[in-house]
Amino acid sequence: DGGITQSPKYLFRKEGQNVTLSCEQNLNHDAMYWYRQDPGQGLRLIYYSQIVNDFQKGDIAEGYSVSREKKESFPLTVTSAQKNPTAFYLCASNAGRVNNEQFFGPGTRLTVL
Amino acid sequence: GQNIDQPTEMTATEGAIVQINCTYQTSGFNGLFWYQQHAGEAPTFLSYNVLDGLEEKGRFSSFLSRSKGYSYLLLKELQMKDSASYLCAVRDGNYGQNFVFGPGTRLSVLP
Repeated sequence: DGGITQSPKYLFRKEGQNVTLSCEQNLNHDAMYWYRQDPGQGLRLIYYSQIVNDFQKGDIAEGYSVSREKKESFPLTVTSAQKNPTAFYLCASNAGRVNNEQFFGPGTRLTVL
Repeated sequence: GQNIDQPTEMTATEGAIVQINCTYQTSGFNGLFWYQQHAGEAPTFLSYNVLDGLEEKGRFSSFLSRSKGYSYLLLKELQMKDSASYLCAVRDGNYGQNFVFGPGTRLSVLP
């Protein structure tokens, strides 16, 4: 079955530690995205990548980093510079054509203690 | 700038019809998408509009007026399982073809 996987579902980290969230897709999609969702707010774009080896900052990139070495994978690192990292993180992909919707992974809920 | 507005919460009764509105102001427009999101889960795609008018998909319909920057999602014959958040998103060609999401509308369906 094609889809997007994120792991783990729940993640706990101590303040000051970097943490990497994984995102893998087997949909052969060129574009991949990372969003952050906080209670009562919509999805806010952290980073996006339209093609392998290229990525761009979204609206709230500070304190985050990404890589796109393979088409299937787009990991997100939450660094200690992110002031308020506790949130629900969603990864998505898209085939790239204008009328294509995004497909989302199940999300990772990160709690920083 | 980019702005998408939706009502924060709505309540409706099982079997009824509910309309969730979305207004948008974006620099570019390449389509409007509606997603359903149950608490703690991933959003799932419901509908797509790029031309003015109504798109119908079973119990769900979505309407678009580009001149007014307005869309609505219509849910008929409401079921308890329709209790969820509904997200409106615009694909903005002047924003790297990225999706701009509204805050979401939390719908509660009561028996």
